[in-house]
Amino acid sequence: DGGITQSPKYLFRKEGQNVTLSCEQNLNHDAMYWYRQDPGQGLRLIYYSQIVNDFQKGDIAEGYSVSREKKESFPLTVTSAQKNPTAFYLCASRGLLGGSSPQHFGDGTRLSIL
Amino acid sequence: AQRVTQPEKLLSVFKGAPVELKCNYSYSGSPELFWYVQYSRQRLQLLLRHISRESIKGFTADLNKGETSFHLKKPFAQEEDSAMYYCAPTRQGNTPLVFGKGTRLSVIA
Repeated sequence: DGGITQSPKYLFRKEGQNVTLSCEQNLNHDAMYWYRQDPGQGLRLIYYSQIVNDFQKGDIAEGYSVSREKKESFPLTVTSAQKNPTAFYLCASRGLLGGSSPQHFGDGTRLSIL
Repeated sequence: AQRVTQPEKLLSVFKGAPVELKCNYSYSGSPELFWYVQYSRQRLQLLLRHISRESIKGFTADLNKGETSFHLKKPFAQEEDSAMYYCAPTRQGNTPLVFGKGTRLSVIA
């Protein structure tokens, strides 16, 4: 069951530390997305990228950064500026422009504070 | 602003009973609509999309443009249907899906 791989599965962050969550896809999808999932909040969009070397802020981008140097990779960095980083992070990708292609999701990374 | 509302946080039904999970959206133009499901310890996965008009695992969803609703229905709930369900509209193309807060369905034996 490949497609989208997120690593690590669990991650711990110390105060003042930046951490990077990995997301790789082998679906040849143009677009990739990062969501944060909190209990009772649903999924909230952090950043997304529709093409290599380009990305846009989502609804809760503060304290996060991303890069899209390769089509298959979209890493998310949780910086020390993110004061409440404990959450479940989901990466997704989506296929060709146009049509009603769905988003495919990874298994997620759970980030906790030490 | 684009918005999607799932009014029920938790829905409990008995096995064999009908189930309806509500979803209302406010979008300009003609959005595409999806239902996603997350079973315990599994990844979020697509359940169905409005454009295909198909039935998956006995679930159907009808887009009602007049009421701007996309409710998910199943005539006879099964225990294995217990999961978290998310309604997600989007515009065409690669714009992100906007997710509702989700409804947890609990099917009681």
